[in-house]
Amino acid sequence: SAVISQKPSRDICQRGTSLTIQCQVDSQVTMMFWYRQQPGQSLTLIATANQGSEATYESGFVIDKFPISRPNLTFSTLTVSNMSPEDSSIYLCSVLRTLTGELFFGEGSRLTVL
Amino acid sequence: GENVEQHPSTLSVQEGDSAVIKCTYSDSASNYFPWYKQELGKRPQLIIDIRSNVGEKKDQRIAVTLNKTAKHFSLHITETQPEDSAVYFCAGGGTYNFNKFYFGSGTKLNVKP
Repeated sequence: SAVISQKPSRDICQRGTSLTIQCQVDSQVTMMFWYRQQPGQSLTLIATANQGSEATYESGFVIDKFPISRPNLTFSTLTVSNMSPEDSSIYLCSVLRTLTGELFFGEGSRLTVL
Repeated sequence: GENVEQHPSTLSVQEGDSAVIKCTYSDSASNYFPWYKQELGKRPQLIIDIRSNVGEKKDQRIAVTLNKTAKHFSLHITETQPEDSAVYFCAGGGTYNFNKFYFGSGTKLNVKP
């Protein structure tokens, strides 16, 4: 499986601020995704990070709140903007292994908003 | 979009017994169904998967079955061990769904020694 590194692994932030999470993959991948996992809950797809173009967002998620960048085939960022306590979650980067169609996850970034 | 439902939400079994977790999906375009195990504080780990052209797949103590007509698939764990205790997620999606995957709500499996 691909090695997927996320930074930061955890952070505590103040209400109203923004945080950018980075995802680095050790090999070029076609598809990258961002998921959110709220405490004790399942994984919810936020968006598909498209290389060189705007991300494709799922229903209930908007670019102003979760801007995503994907400048190349190995790197993506997710920003959580104007945070509120409801944004406290684990945010997970995931990549699709093209040859097999398998989906792998980074370690996650645990965000706590006070 | 795809809607994946998963049952039960919690499952408690005695060590050595079998455990079965069931999922249904809504989108007939989904063609790939992975299962993930997530231990506390860790990332989801892919443990087994099945594609829509296959009815059953086994890997040691773990098996997955798929019924395309009924749009449901199941995870079977035999001879459970305490280290199987975790939260298990099913997912549906694949190439005909823009390679996106949607997850079930999760099953917390507790294997009692």
